Amino acid sequence: DAKTTQPPSMDCAEGRAANLPCNHSTISGNEYVYWYRQIHSQGPQYIIHGLKNNETNEMASLIITEDRKSSTLILPHATLRDTAVYYCIVRVKGTYKYIFGTGTRLKVLA
Amino acid sequence: SQTIHQWPATLVQPVGSPLSLECTVEGTSNPNLYWYRQAAGRGLQLLFYSVGIGQISSEVPQNLSASRPQDRQFILSSKKLLLSDSGFYLCAWSGPTGVGQPQHFGDGTRLSIL
Repeated sequence: DAKTTQPPSMDCAEGRAANLPCNHSTISGNEYVYWYRQIHSQGPQYIIHGLKNNETNEMASLIITEDRKSSTLILPHATLRDTAVYYCIVRVKGTYKYIFGTGTRLKVLA
Repeated sequence: SQTIHQWPATLVQPVGSPLSLECTVEGTSNPNLYWYRQAAGRGLQLLFYSVGIGQISSEVPQNLSASRPQDRQFILSSKKLLLSDSGFYLCAWSGPTGVGQPQHFGDGTRLSIL
């Protein structure tokens, strides 16, 4: 099954860039990588997704390695409100299922 | 724009009582629909997903069931709740093709079983 691996926790100073890594070495050729974040007691919020090329939107940037086995979510100027659990997920090939791991708990420090 | 509604926000139920959680999506047609459960401090566990009316795929054997009576309505049910059914229940939708289409989540229902 498609699986992602993320560090359980990270700290980042307010105003600095937060770089959250994800390993998805079993990703299939045409499957996207999706990133979400979940603030306590809320539903996950979609951030960004990508296939091969790097992507940027108003929330974050996504860097995908050339072999597509890993990616990094970048929050360019982290704020206290970015403190959350960040999930990197991929779809199970040939299905409509998405498997969530335990994510990375990011704490932005003042 | 598309919106997803999930209710109730919180629910306290006694063991052995029935359950019905409803989720509706607006602003899109033929979405894929999902039910997840999240235990305290844990990740999301996929319970059911549906790619069309009456089409339900179950991921985890349990005393829960799901139904999709209309295109944009997804219902999670139980005839008799167990203590282990406590958790945070989340509904989500994605576009029909799934490829390159992210999921969008509701605000969740926090279910406590007494």
